[in-house]
Amino acid sequence: DAGVIQSPRHEVTEMGQEVTLRCKPISGHNSLFWYRQTMMRGLELLIYFNNNVPIDDSGMPEDRFSAKMPNASFSTLKIQPSEPRDSAVYFCASSPLYNSPLHFGNGTRLTVT
Amino acid sequence: ELKVEQNPLFLSMQEGKNYTIYCNYSTTSDRLYWYRQDPGKSLESLFVLLSNGAVKQEGRLMASLDTKARLSTLHITAAVHDLSATYFCAVDPSQGGSEKLVFGKGTKLTVNP
Repeated sequence: DAGVIQSPRHEVTEMGQEVTLRCKPISGHNSLFWYRQTMMRGLELLIYFNNNVPIDDSGMPEDRFSAKMPNASFSTLKIQPSEPRDSAVYFCASSPLYNSPLHFGNGTRLTVT
Repeated sequence: ELKVEQNPLFLSMQEGKNYTIYCNYSTTSDRLYWYRQDPGKSLESLFVLLSNGAVKQEGRLMASLDTKARLSTLHITAAVHDLSATYFCAVDPSQGGSEKLVFGKGTKLTVNP
């Protein structure tokens, strides 16, 4: 099992550019989560999907953020346009069942200059 | 809104000593998780606590849950340097089960020789 795979590992972009983060969950996991981690705010849940359907996107900070899960093996988080305050580590996580722990990917460190 | 508070946020201890990290939460829940994060790395699941009185142990770490007090503890016995990391507790606020975990700010543990 390769675990949750995120790409890219690092992304540096200029303010105003579009950024797309990618995630491949563990095969067979029904739920997928996008978290953002910063020193100031800690770990924040942005959105989560169950069986490819978005269940709760109340953590998405603004309309500039969007997430999709077109199939069970792929999800994207897009920021358009990006701003310096979006700089953070973005984690994708998946889980197989309710009451199971989340399996986190290695994260994407985003820097917006 | 569920609030999850950990204390201390920073902990420096000597090898061989014992200590406890506390995780308090503000609303009823009987599902609590502990994670470990090494610097620059992903989060790794340590314990899943699913009922009042649950106790789990792995090596030098022991976690417990008191749902009536809304408190979980992570006890470290005879600390060793390899335990240096940041430890997070996470709580599921939904009685029906939404998988929408709320994380504490984390406790950064440094074990000194």
